[in-house]
Amino acid sequence: GAGVSQSPRYKVTKRGQDVALRCDPISGHVSLYWYRQALGQGPEFLTYFNYEAQQDKSGLPNDRFSAERPEGSISTLTIQRTEQRDSAMYRCASSPPSGDNTGELFFGEGSRLTVL
Amino acid sequence: KNEVEQSPQNLTAQEGEFITINCSYSVGISALHWLQQHPGGGIVSLFMLSSGKKKHGRLIATINIQEKHSSLHITASHPRDSAVYICAGSTSGTYKYIFGTGTRLKVLA
Repeated sequence: GAGVSQSPRYKVTKRGQDVALRCDPISGHVSLYWYRQALGQGPEFLTYFNYEAQQDKSGLPNDRFSAERPEGSISTLTIQRTEQRDSAMYRCASSPPSGDNTGELFFGEGSRLTVL
Repeated sequence: KNEVEQSPQNLTAQEGEFITINCSYSVGISALHWLQQHPGGGIVSLFMLSSGKKKHGRLIATINIQEKHSSLHITASHPRDSAVYICAGSTSGTYKYIFGTGTRLKVLA
């Protein structure tokens, strides 16, 4: 697609429910990143993939959070048994192959999660 | 621990003013990025710097590696420049950005 696409844009859920957030990166982009942004704060790294391999998941806050990118394109961030503190904007970003890389990350519009 | 700190947190300027936003970062960060977050929430990359200075239109970004400091300047500011400006550091070989908390800029007509 033309840009990084995330869905849903808005998600309201009740505490204890599972949610899945989807990211469709720019076609041909190798690396995909997930960030979380609390209100009034800068984004915080969660995890990233090169192709289908999860290279770093050190930013995932606990084992309720997981991410996958099974075919090296679309990625899903899953939050199990959601809690109110999970409420945030979840942002996905992608970057092109290293040979084409100007150092720029391309961000999606984000998925705003509200846990009641 | 790698850290990125920005100042000021909030900035209000009159149209036409020259604006400077500052960013300090810690050891281990090899590249510094400036991003713009629009009121609607979208984030756009403005610059990536590992040395020197870059210019795009009315935006200028500089970095002083020895002092671990970067600045974003906006010349002849305009109300459409109103946004949150975020600096972020990355470590060599990754785009595991470490973000500052952002500077909320409001330019008044």
